[in-house]
Amino acid sequence: ETGVTQTPRHLVMGMTNKKSLKCEQHLGHNAMYWYKQSAKKPLELMFVYSLEERVENNSVPSRFSPECPNSSHLFLHLHTLQPEDSALYLCASSQWDSTGEQFFGPGTRLTVL
Amino acid sequence: AQTVTQSQPEMSVQEAETVTLSCTYDTSESDYYLFWYKQPPSRQMILVIRQEAYKQQNATENRFSVNFQKAAKSFSLKISDSQLGDAAMYFCAYRSETDSWGKLQFGAGTQVVVTP
Repeated sequence: ETGVTQTPRHLVMGMTNKKSLKCEQHLGHNAMYWYKQSAKKPLELMFVYSLEERVENNSVPSRFSPECPNSSHLFLHLHTLQPEDSALYLCASSQWDSTGEQFFGPGTRLTVL
Repeated sequence: AQTVTQSQPEMSVQEAETVTLSCTYDTSESDYYLFWYKQPPSRQMILVIRQEAYKQQNATENRFSVNFQKAAKSFSLKISDSQLGDAAMYFCAYRSETDSWGKLQFGAGTQVVVTP
């Protein structure tokens, strides 16, 4: 695998379900990000992890819970979501002390029924 | 806080022609980075081009070039010799030099439609 991978690519869940999104980067980066992309809205930064520590949480509801067990993996745990949480969730990675370009995964299309 | 504005929701261009996408941003900083990302129907975000604010020379990557006007806080993208594969949503993004965590501020995007 190369670059940034995300699984699953598509997920349909009910409001009472618990699921997790997985992101893995194969670029040797030390920062990882979760973004939410909804229709007709700019990308919203949700969480930033640098050196496996969360450094930013952009007022995201607690029904979204991130986990970064090591510098290559990032998870987003989901529970009791709402239909308005349906969106494309994008993971990205970067070298935080570099010139800043982020490399994105293909995203997980989440539908909450 | 910085804001990034893309005022063109959609632009249409014929194959082999040139299209220019506009982007303006609001910042009080002097050092920063600007990016153009492309998101095709596959939804994979791909970096197209990058510009460091301290560089006066406009960045170029093959058929893609930017017109960076620092005083005007403008960062437009020109796609020359447009190809069908250029059809995508294009996002302008800003990163502060002082932000260690590399956070990007994105614009709302411009949909590029390429017609044969």
